[in-house]
Order: sequence, then C-alpha cells, then structure tokens
Amino acid sequence: AQSVSQHNHHVILSEAASLELGCNYSYGGTVNLFWYVQYPGQHLQLLLKYFSGDPLVKGIKGFEAEFIKSKFSFNLRKPSVQWSDTAEYFCAVMNNAGNMLTFGGGTRLMVKP
Amino acid sequence: DTEVTQTPKHLVMGMTNKKSLKCEQHMGHRAMYWYKQKAKKPPELMFVYSYEKLSINESVPSRFSPECPNSSLLNLHLHALQPEDSALYLCASSQGKQSNTGELFFGEGSRLTVL
Repeated sequence: AQSVSQHNHHVILSEAASLELGCNYSYGGTVNLFWYVQYPGQHLQLLLKYFSGDPLVKGIKGFEAEFIKSKFSFNLRKPSVQWSDTAEYFCAVMNNAGNMLTFGGGTRLMVKP
Repeated sequence: DTEVTQTPKHLVMGMTNKKSLKCEQHMGHRAMYWYKQKAKKPPELMFVYSYEKLSINESVPSRFSPECPNSSLLNLHLHALQPEDSALYLCASSQGKQSNTGELFFGEGSRLTVL
C-alpha cells in the first residue's frame, strides 16, 4: 500500500521568503507524484506532477518540485512566496494502476503581507 | 472554476433521511471518484468507478451507496447517516486507466452536515 508523509503541518512565512515543503512517500512500484493546492473555499487544483524524465518539475505560479528517488522525496519549492499563496498544500502518490491517489496530511501555509 | 460540477453545495440532513449527492463531468473522463474530507484533514478515498464499474470500495459503510448511471454522472446515495459522517464530499474524475497522465480533476465539494 502506498503512503505519503508531509512533515510540516503549519508554515508561516513573510512575503518574498523562500518556501520548501517536505514530502516523503512509500510505494513499491513506479511512482507518479503530485502536488495539489487548496485555496480557502476553493476546489483542489493541480500544482505540478511527476511521471518520468527530468526529476525537477515545474508547475504553475512559480512552483517547482524535485523527485529524489534515493530519498523517496518530492519536495515542493518556490523562491519567493506571495500573500496569495496562502493555502493548504497536499502531496499525493498515484498507484501503478492509475486509479488510486493517496494524499499526505497536508501543509497549511500562511503568508504574511 | 472547475469542470467537475457537484450538487448540492451544502446539505443538512437528519439521521433518518435519505438524500443524494450528484457529480457531473463532460471532459470525457472514464474514471470517477468519491473522496471524503474532514476539517483540517486530507481527502480520503471512498470509491472509484472505472468505465462505469465500481473498481475500488475502501471499506466504506453501506449507508453510503455509490451509483454511476453513465460515464458523465456519479451519485452518492446517503441513508441513515451518523453525525460523524459530516464532512466535505469531493468528486473527482480522470481520463481513466488507459491514460498516462493520472491527473484528477476535483469538484468544489458538497458540504454535508448530519444532525
């Protein structure tokens, strides 16, 4: 069975600070990894995804994530956060069959103006 | 806006009521999902339909009954729920098992309160 751990439950940053959110996964097969964001009162939206190829993937709104197979990690980064990045961020792993997406516990990010 | 539409957005029901949540997508996706999300928790998978057939049931109590009438619609029938079933119920869709993208598209959810 797959599982995902996000170690930072709450993060508070000032605008322009750099962001890194940790994500570690556990899965025996080929991994497909995702970061989703949930802005207050809105639906879950895909930030970025990794399936294969370049382990550094770029997503929307200046976010990127790096897949490090040896560390079972897929950390999310952004060089300079904005107040509008305040949201909850979920790391997720998809199984080989492509029909089961498992979420990590989420990280609630608050960016102070 | 999302391309997965869920109705109603809010539902309050008693423990003896029967109600249904509805989900619709017109992206041609062949996999549809129900997730349950409690406050300050991640979404938890309940059911997966693939090509209109139930492929995954994550040990969900029988008071939740899913139905997939066609490839665009997904229902969740509710009966004799408990107050602890109060949550945000999320519908999602994806291209299906033959797709290599795997991305799930989520609706805004139906917020259910059981009194």
